[in-house]
Amino acid sequence: EAQVTQNPRYLITVTGKKLTVTCSQNMNHEYMSWYRQDPGLGLRQIYYSMNVEVTDKGDVPEGYKVSRKEKRNFPLILESPSPNQTSLYFCASSPGVAASYNEQFFGPGTRLTVL
Amino acid sequence: SQQGEEDPQALSIQEGENATMNCSYKTSINNLQWYRQNSGRGLVHLILIRSNEREKHSGRLRVTLDTSKKSSSLLITASRAADTASYFCATGSYTGGFKTIFGAGTRLFVKA
Repeated sequence: EAQVTQNPRYLITVTGKKLTVTCSQNMNHEYMSWYRQDPGLGLRQIYYSMNVEVTDKGDVPEGYKVSRKEKRNFPLILESPSPNQTSLYFCASSPGVAASYNEQFFGPGTRLTVL
Repeated sequence: SQQGEEDPQALSIQEGENATMNCSYKTSINNLQWYRQNSGRGLVHLILIRSNEREKHSGRLRVTLDTSKKSSSLLITASRAADTASYFCATGSYTGGFKTIFGAGTRLFVKA
């Protein structure tokens, strides 16, 4: 089944404890992206990647890191999480290099709470 | 920075009625997409309209795009209770990279 998977789905952690949220897609998509969703703000793009080893900042990259060493995986790293990073996170992928021309396929989301 | 702004923020209608949601944006775009989200779950792509298109249909969905007014509308005809969800517009553009910017969404509630 074609899908985007994220792990973990739920995570409660404490301030400053490094964490990684994994994202994997099995559709051979070139474009992958991370978003956070907060009440009343919709989705805001954190980072995106147009291909392996090519990443760029979205609108809210502060406090996050990403890497794209393989086409299928795009992990989101929080080196030192803070309470304001408590949010619902979504990973998405798209077939083309220019996601603006293609629909994005979303993962199920990761609900992160930072105490 | 927010690009798409949906209007209204919330909409409640009876089953069988039409639902219209509007989206405005600020900068030039390559395309505009509409997504649907059921309560805290992942988004599902509904329809994409390119900047050189004015109207597009998909089943009970009709999307219009007015680039001169920087606005789009999503019409769901003959709504069903199962259409209850949040709907988001998203703009794609090359400005500053291959970014996608989402609006805050419209929450639609369809009463059976």
